[in-house]
Amino acid sequence: DTAVSQTPKYLVTQMGNDKSIKCEQNLGHDTMYWYKQDSKKFLKIMFSYNNKELIINETVPNRFSPKSPDKAHLNLHINSLELGDSAVYFCASSLWRPGHGNIQYFGAGTRLSVL
Amino acid sequence: RKEVEQDPGPFNVPEGATVAFNCTYSNSASQSFFWYRQDCRKEPKLLMSVYSSGNEDGRFTAQLNRASQYISLLIRDSKLSDSATYLCVVNAIISGAGSYQLTFGKGTKLSVIP
Repeated sequence: DTAVSQTPKYLVTQMGNDKSIKCEQNLGHDTMYWYKQDSKKFLKIMFSYNNKELIINETVPNRFSPKSPDKAHLNLHINSLELGDSAVYFCASSLWRPGHGNIQYFGAGTRLSVL
Repeated sequence: RKEVEQDPGPFNVPEGATVAFNCTYSNSASQSFFWYRQDCRKEPKLLMSVYSSGNEDGRFTAQLNRASQYISLLIRDSKLSDSATYLCVVNAIISGAGSYQLTFGKGTKLSVIP
């Protein structure tokens, strides 16, 4: 049973299209995230939701819109895709453990290629 | 100064060698610290948390120096399977938001050579 699952695993699309990536976690965590990892392998947070409420919204183009229908799901919709959006997008969920801090569990990633 | 800074490497070491990575962070309010491991084309996975007292897990030892704001990871008796990118991760409370945020370093690439 995959703890954090995201679909699709690969996404190849044309510039200007609109696409969505879905994420689900079965760990019972309250907080979920979207990260972008670019070609230089830098992992950067985009959004964070806690119990369906947006708590982190980094400087991301408003073409990117996250949606959390419930605390187990966090989807990412991207409008008008651009070449620079090509990257690996990771979903994660987290659990706060006293004495250990915020431990994150990642999905396998969605490799987006915009042509 | 970047929030979390690591030497990108690559570190190419022979099997059996001992290798150490350092990481510095700029936010003095950071509260918890981790090392994650990321294999090629895979997701990051937690390797270990880092405590002020230092902690050890088998061949891996992590240390935290709050005064100097750096974290280290020591790998003894390197195995081929240790080849990966090691990400330094720092957790800080977001002021006024009542929540916390992880900041990832860019990672240090390790290649263990037969």
